[in-house]
Amino acid sequence: DTEVTQTPKHLVMGMTNKKSLKCEQHMGHRAMYWYKQKAKKPPELMFVYSYEKLSINESVPSRFSPECPNSSLLNLHLHALQPEDSALYLCASSQSPKDRTSYEQYFGPGTRLTVT
Amino acid sequence: AQSVTQPDIHITVSEGASLELRCNYSYGATPYLFWYVQSPGQGLQLLLKYFSGDTLVQGIKGFEAEFKRSQSSFNLRKPSVHWSDAAEYFCAVGPPLRVNKLSFGAGTTVTVRA
Repeated sequence: DTEVTQTPKHLVMGMTNKKSLKCEQHMGHRAMYWYKQKAKKPPELMFVYSYEKLSINESVPSRFSPECPNSSLLNLHLHALQPEDSALYLCASSQSPKDRTSYEQYFGPGTRLTVT
Repeated sequence: AQSVTQPDIHITVSEGASLELRCNYSYGATPYLFWYVQSPGQGLQLLLKYFSGDTLVQGIKGFEAEFKRSQSSFNLRKPSVHWSDAAEYFCAVGPPLRVNKLSFGAGTTVTVRA
């Protein structure tokens, strides 16, 4: 099973709201990722967690706050977003880079976020 | 720094015809290479990957790709396209041992006409 699940599928929020995106995988992967994707563009890496520790932050504004409560779960907390933050937010997971047998990333279906 | 170029922004192909999508990369050594497909409003699905070994790799949905070191290319092919292959295709590269930092190409949109 190579499934990554994301909830919710769609989210509409105002600029003063606080919301969270959730991602879950049960493949035993120890690396998890958040990407942002605008229409007709490739995904842009935001954060990487490896063994539940934040290993990469691609200079993402602090209004995005990631959290990895355990090896299967990844959250993205949203606060005071701007309309330009509207996008498809994708979660992905992969075997830890320390495991040389598999490096590919498996993506979830995404959360379509609209900031009004 | 690594980079990926997909020269074709949009390709239209007839159903049943063959398809080839181009991907060129720039990297100091041989990176790990991937092709992903994304249907509208969906996440990315891995079609195939190349790490080392046989330069012709087989993937899912009848796709294959060939790694050519001399041309720094990793082109994707399918002998006979189905209407369901209409989607966005992304080539991606990652440095060996650190592919948590993938670089994606800009993508190629494939339209399939009946």
